[in-house]
Amino acid sequence: SAVISQKPSRDICQRGTSLTIQCQVDSQVTMMFWYRQQPGQSLTLIATANQGSEATYESGFVIDKFPISRPNLTFSTLTVSNMSPEDSSIYLCSVQGLAKNIQYFGAGTRLSVL
Amino acid sequence: DAKTTQPNSMESNEEEPVHLPCNHSTISGTDYIHWYRQLPSQGPEYVIHGLTSNVNNRMASLAIAEDRKSSTLILHRATLRDAAVYYCILRASNFGNEKLTFGTGTRLTIIP
Repeated sequence: SAVISQKPSRDICQRGTSLTIQCQVDSQVTMMFWYRQQPGQSLTLIATANQGSEATYESGFVIDKFPISRPNLTFSTLTVSNMSPEDSSIYLCSVQGLAKNIQYFGAGTRLSVL
Repeated sequence: DAKTTQPNSMESNEEEPVHLPCNHSTISGTDYIHWYRQLPSQGPEYVIHGLTSNVNNRMASLAIAEDRKSSTLILHRATLRDAAVYYCILRASNFGNEKLTFGTGTRLTIIP
């Protein structure tokens, strides 16, 4: 299994500011993902974080709004830029385990934008 | 992507078996059936997956119809801790590089 730590666990931010969320894994992993879960909704994949190259974004998500870094095989960050109240969501980091058919998820970062 | 259909919600009594259905009539021959669950205030966790044969693990059993157009997740003896949203997801291969696409899932309530 993989243990994932996300920081911060929650935050309240002002409109127009940016927040960077950190994801740390206790072992080296090949695939890391970022998801968004809007209030009362299911999870939506934002992007795949690629080590050493630009992230791969899903339809509807762009790098300017959600820049992602992945400097090594155990760490990634997601920035939510120029926030608006519509960005209020839970943001979850996920990794693919050594048993490649299983994904592990962090507890998420609960973001509220005022 | 092949889609899945699940009931929005289900209830079950504690210590009784629970059968959570999932329809996937457009499943392709190489799609694996995965189940994840999301406990309150937590990220999703893997439950079980299978291709054609029924599967068992310490958490649950997965029964797959012969035509693979439906499947059922079975919790043999539900506890209060099993209250969660259960997601049935089709994944294109067993190599793990394919993303997980979550549907709306089934919210399971356990009655004490």
